[in-house]
Amino acid sequence: GQQLNQSPQSMFIQEGEDVSMNCTSSSIFNTWLWYKQDPGEGPVLLIALYKAGELTSNGRLTAQFGITRKDSFLNISASIPSDVGIYFCAGWNTGNQFYFGTGTSLTVIP
Amino acid sequence: NAGVMQNPRHLVRRRGQEARLRCSPMKGHSHVYWYRQLPEEGLKFMVYLQKENIIDESGMPKERFSAEFPKEGPSILRIQQVVRGDSAAYFCASSPPGTPYNSPLHFGNGTRLTVT
Repeated sequence: GQQLNQSPQSMFIQEGEDVSMNCTSSSIFNTWLWYKQDPGEGPVLLIALYKAGELTSNGRLTAQFGITRKDSFLNISASIPSDVGIYFCAGWNTGNQFYFGTGTSLTVIP
Repeated sequence: NAGVMQNPRHLVRRRGQEARLRCSPMKGHSHVYWYRQLPEEGLKFMVYLQKENIIDESGMPKERFSAEFPKEGPSILRIQQVVRGDSAAYFCASSPPGTPYNSPLHFGNGTRLTVT
């Protein structure tokens, strides 16, 4: 079935570096969401995007709703150790179906 | 300003017992979703409910699993005659009333079920 493909699957970066990850779909989405999940916790909503081309920031995080409406991007600037976790994209497509991405695991090396 | 509340956080059951997982949505939310997550994997949709109605249960196993969201009280995910393969983290999410189809889902911290 429909799947949101995230890349990269995992990242190992040095503290202070910037991070970029993306999420792609075969269908058109109306809403894109980015979540972070820490071990033993539930996913926490980071950013919600509602319009093609929209660029939204939340502190050091910036996400964009792709122009084609089939992708979205998340950037983290100046990473710190507490950025460690799994980042999931998610969204509602034009068929009113909700999907989660496969996740990007981020490790920040102090 | 409570978020989505799930209890218990951890639940241990022997094979063949019943597991009941509870979820209270965020205040004012009327849509509830249940997801299952195995270690090192993503979240898999199980069921979507509104008050007193199951809207979509396409991700729910046909046997042993049931869910409800009564007019009063929390949503309950019930697993009868648990087996070891039911061991997982079960997450509940909620969204505001009205059309759900553009709303973010807000998640609880999950119930970790271990079947021994």
